[in-house]
Amino acid sequence: SAVISQKPSRDICQRGTSLTIQCQVDSQVTMMFWYRQQPGQSLTLIATANQGSEATYESGFVIDKFPISRPNLTFSTLTVSNMSPEDSSIYLCSVEEWADFGQGTRLTVV
Amino acid sequence: QKEVEQNSGPLSVPEGAIASLNCTYSDRGSQSFFWYRQYSGKSPELIMSIYSNGDKEDGRFTAQLNKASQYVSLLIRDSQPSDSATYLCAVRRKRSSNTGKLIFGQGTTLQVKP
Repeated sequence: SAVISQKPSRDICQRGTSLTIQCQVDSQVTMMFWYRQQPGQSLTLIATANQGSEATYESGFVIDKFPISRPNLTFSTLTVSNMSPEDSSIYLCSVEEWADFGQGTRLTVV
Repeated sequence: QKEVEQNSGPLSVPEGAIASLNCTYSDRGSQSFFWYRQYSGKSPELIMSIYSNGDKEDGRFTAQLNKASQYVSLLIRDSQPSDSATYLCAVRRKRSSNTGKLIFGQGTTLQVKP
């Protein structure tokens, strides 16, 4: 399977600011997925990112809040915009070819 | 009805016993099934995948799939305190416009007592 790397691994941010999370894969993949895991909850898919097209968002998630880029077949970013304490979660990326995750980004909004 | 259902637990077993974790799913067209282990504060770790009916064994872990009953389970033999974690069941939908994405259950917390 591929190695999936995320940056940053954790961050503490002020409310109202934005944070961009990077996901790098060591091989080319077709689809990349961004998940959120709120405290004490399971994983919920935010969006699916295809290279060369706009991301597809799940119900309850919108592009203005979670803009995603997918500039090539090995990289994607997720931005959490205008953050509030409710955005405090672990954010994880995954790829279609392998059902595994990067180490995740633990975000705390204060 | 949730798409993927698990008992939240906690499931408590003594060290050395067999832990049995269960998961049901609603989409009959689901093709791939996964079990993850997640320690507190860590990312989920894939421990088993299964695609065909029957059993699949890997070390102390056995995944069992019954598509007719829409049921997948994970058995952990000779449970160790280090197995104490939350176990997440995930299902990958059939190929469609939503190909590849994983639908997760709520997870079962396993406690292995020394």
